[in-house]
Amino acid sequence: EVLLLESGGGLVQPGGSLRLSCAASGFSFSSYAMNWVRQAPGKGLEWVSGLSGSGGGTSYADSLEGRFTVSRDNSKNTLYLQMDSLRVEDTAVYYCTRKGDYGFDYWGQGTLVSVSS
Amino acid sequence: ETVMTQSPATLSVSPGERATLSCRASQSVSHNLAWYQQRPGQAPRLLIHSSSTRAAGIPARFSGSGSGTEFTLTISGLQSEDFAVYYCQQYHNWPLYTFGQGTKLEIK
Repeated sequence: EVLLLESGGGLVQPGGSLRLSCAASGFSFSSYAMNWVRQAPGKGLEWVSGLSGSGGGTSYADSLEGRFTVSRDNSKNTLYLQMDSLRVEDTAVYYCTRKGDYGFDYWGQGTLVSVSS
Repeated sequence: ETVMTQSPATLSVSPGERATLSCRASQSVSHNLAWYQQRPGQAPRLLIHSSSTRAAGIPARFSGSGSGTEFTLTISGLQSEDFAVYYCQQYHNWPLYTFGQGTKLEIK
């Protein structure tokens, strides 16, 4: 069974940093690209960042303005999202997702990030 | 950036009836279009990929169609568990992906 378990969310002040983790199991982690998708309270889905299976290729939404960094440790089957210079508008549930052959075929349950003073 | 626009924002349909949801892309995405369902308090789940192919375990009452810039998700014989929010997503311009703003399907 494919499982994705996010952790690391919490309350942080504007300008602060946070690192999210996503522990994967039930599949060959290094064979799949992984992505982060977020959802602000009461809003829709926003793709945030993606990373190839090898970790050699990364992509980010333009709205992030270079503040986030995605990475992975294939030896630990874990995906990360380092979030710096956090803003109030970054408040959201952050989902870890697996990129299948077509679309995002598995999703974690999400971790809530709240940015507030 | 490819902008995805869904309509309507909210759709009211009676149980047992048919719902038709639309998604438009600002430029062609060929057949590289997915639909997701999100129930309250849950993570999204993949319903349809490649515009018209149901994901594993998705009932046959869900169907998708379209190509290029115009896409449709049709749900026939609506059941109570189908009332949720639906999102379209293009993956044509990978590794950059974009979602539509969502359509809320509510009970009439």
